[in-house]
Amino acid sequence: EAGVVQSPRYKIIEKKQPVAFWCNPISGHNTLYWYRQNLGQGPELLIRYENEEAVDDSQLPKDRFSAERLKGVDSTLKIQPAELGDSAVYLCASIRGGAGANVLTFGAGSRLTVL
Amino acid sequence: AQKVTQAQTEISVVEKEDVTLDCVYETRDTTYYLFWYKQPPSGELVFLIRRNSFDEQNEISGRYSWNFQKSTSSFNFTITASQVVDSAVYFCALGNRDDKIIFGKGTRLHILP
Repeated sequence: EAGVVQSPRYKIIEKKQPVAFWCNPISGHNTLYWYRQNLGQGPELLIRYENEEAVDDSQLPKDRFSAERLKGVDSTLKIQPAELGDSAVYLCASIRGGAGANVLTFGAGSRLTVL
Repeated sequence: AQKVTQAQTEISVVEKEDVTLDCVYETRDTTYYLFWYKQPPSGELVFLIRRNSFDEQNEISGRYSWNFQKSTSSFNFTITASQVVDSAVYFCALGNRDDKIIFGKGTRLHILP
């Protein structure tokens, strides 16, 4: 079984430029998460999807961040325009969903550096 | 509101020593789930253990053991006879029935040869 796939693994951009990250979850996993991990910190939840629906986006900075999960499979996280403080690792994770007992499977992450 | 506190930012021990990583959580839910994840230098988060709020039995897996105490809202993790390969960042996490899962800030563990 393929794991959670993320791309790109690394991205370096200048501030004010746009950037997008893509995530393909494990097949059959209906719940998908985007977390941001700043250097030396734990993962912070940005947004959680159940199928196509964003059920928790309270921590997503909506002025510059957007996300979508068309057809309830792949997801894209976009930042426009990027700021210096957005430098972090963006982690995607998925679970089969339901009842709260599930274990997150994480992708390798997308490391963003904003210059 | 849910909260996870890992008060130990960084710990260094000499190989073969035992070490305990602390985790304190806050939640109003009666049903919840606790997790530990390991993040080695390669960066990918690896699942170690899950406990639900109704199961306070301690668990041992090889050199790893976990102590869950609802009375103190703690879920501590002990590594016995530590090895250099145990060097990593360890995260405690809390989940609810709606699958909202939050993480602590992590404890960076250095095992010195």
